[in-house]
Amino acid sequence: QLRLQESGPRLLKPSETLSLTCSVSGGSFASSSYQWGWIRQSPGKGLEWLGSILNTGDTYSNPSLRSRLTVSSATSKNQFFLNLTSVTAPDTAIYYCARIRGVGFDPWGQGLLVTV
Amino acid sequence: QSVLAQPPSASGIPGQKVTISCSGSSSNIGTNYVYWYQQVPGTAPKVVIYRNDERPSGVPDRFFGSKSGTSASLVISGLRSEDEADYYCAAWDDTLNGHWVFGGGTKLTVL
Repeated sequence: QLRLQESGPRLLKPSETLSLTCSVSGGSFASSSYQWGWIRQSPGKGLEWLGSILNTGDTYSNPSLRSRLTVSSATSKNQFFLNLTSVTAPDTAIYYCARIRGVGFDPWGQGLLVTV
Repeated sequence: QSVLAQPPSASGIPGQKVTISCSGSSSNIGTNYVYWYQQVPGTAPKVVIYRNDERPSGVPDRFFGSKSGTSASLVISGLRSEDEADYYCAAWDDTLNGHWVFGGGTKLTVL
């Protein structure tokens, strides 16, 4: 069964760069043409898609964050990454990673609360 | 302001039917599939409807999705206490090089 797990710093100062890792287990990151995405949820708020990467390396990103956001991957390690520069308090959120395929965003990681 | 518009709240009594709406535009719901996610507080979201009206295995047939034009609906019939959760619609948007958009979420209360 495919599992995703977010990891990274839980506390950042304003202007720092947020770097998160999503580790994929129980399946291969490179095996199929899925999107692998990042989503966040600010406290008490709704879901916001941040960006996605395909196993080809092609990426998509939220237009409102495009100048600060990079999504990358390390296929051999079954991992993909999020980099968000110049964070501020509004970037405080639970950050999720998820596989995106025909059935939608599924599965999701358990989420990681990051506080700025 | 979310790209997809949902009512912030909905409610019903056990056994009742509840409908949650999701309104978008021609660049998202109008041309692409709609997905619905259920999120119980403190947990990650879970897909309950995909490709407008398909149910993943394990999701009860009390959950029904539909789409018409640039709007979509999630109907939950035979409401149960365990259905109390936040529900989000989502779709791919073809503008700006393509991106996913979510609704603002609807908090469903089972009275």
